[in-house]
Amino acid sequence: QQQVKQSPQSLIVQKGGIPIINCAYENTAFDYFPWYQQFPGKGPALLIAIRPDVSEKKEGRFTISFNKSAKQFSLHIMDSQPGDSATYFCAASMIETSGSRLTFGEGTQLTVNP
Amino acid sequence: DGGITQSPKYLFRKEGQNVTLSCEQNLNHDAMYWYRQDPGQGLRLIYYSQIVNDFQKGDIAEGYSVSREKKESFPLTVTSAQKNPTAFYLCASSIQFSGNTIYFGEGSWLTVV
Repeated sequence: QQQVKQSPQSLIVQKGGIPIINCAYENTAFDYFPWYQQFPGKGPALLIAIRPDVSEKKEGRFTISFNKSAKQFSLHIMDSQPGDSATYFCAASMIETSGSRLTFGEGTQLTVNP
Repeated sequence: DGGITQSPKYLFRKEGQNVTLSCEQNLNHDAMYWYRQDPGQGLRLIYYSQIVNDFQKGDIAEGYSVSREKKESFPLTVTSAQKNPTAFYLCASSIQFSGNTIYFGEGSWLTVV
């Protein structure tokens, strides 16, 4: 019940394309869903996050779509650029009961070709 | 600049040795965390500390130990009991344990030789 399943494992798109990364969870107590971006040899950095009371959140070219009934959320990257090539992790936590203790998905390695 | 500093960046351990990874933060954050990253498995929580002199086991604490004697420091010891220690280790912190963004350090690579 604590798992977060992420797909696909890897993704290749052309510049300008819209890669979509999906995550699914089982535990309905999760109440905070962040996405992290990680470049090789670096630590992950928070990209965007959403709470389950909204269905969509947009920050720049990055959008999270959230489907509470399906227990799924996804990351869309508009007008993708080669500089977006990185590994993306979804995560979830139960802020009210477990604080900032995050459960991570397995990660998606995104490659954006020029 | 404020941030999280992990050292060393690369560390080699011989079989049967204990090694300690350093993590220092100057963000004045109360909570600190250690995660382990293996290819294709995401990040898994080893230990976390909500406040000085207090820490709790995460999901994969066996073979690891920590201390939190100072607010800014949260060292991780990988003991000889950890059977598969080769991994990328990430230290993180947040202002408080509840409801705040987690910030990560640059990571430390540990390889058993």
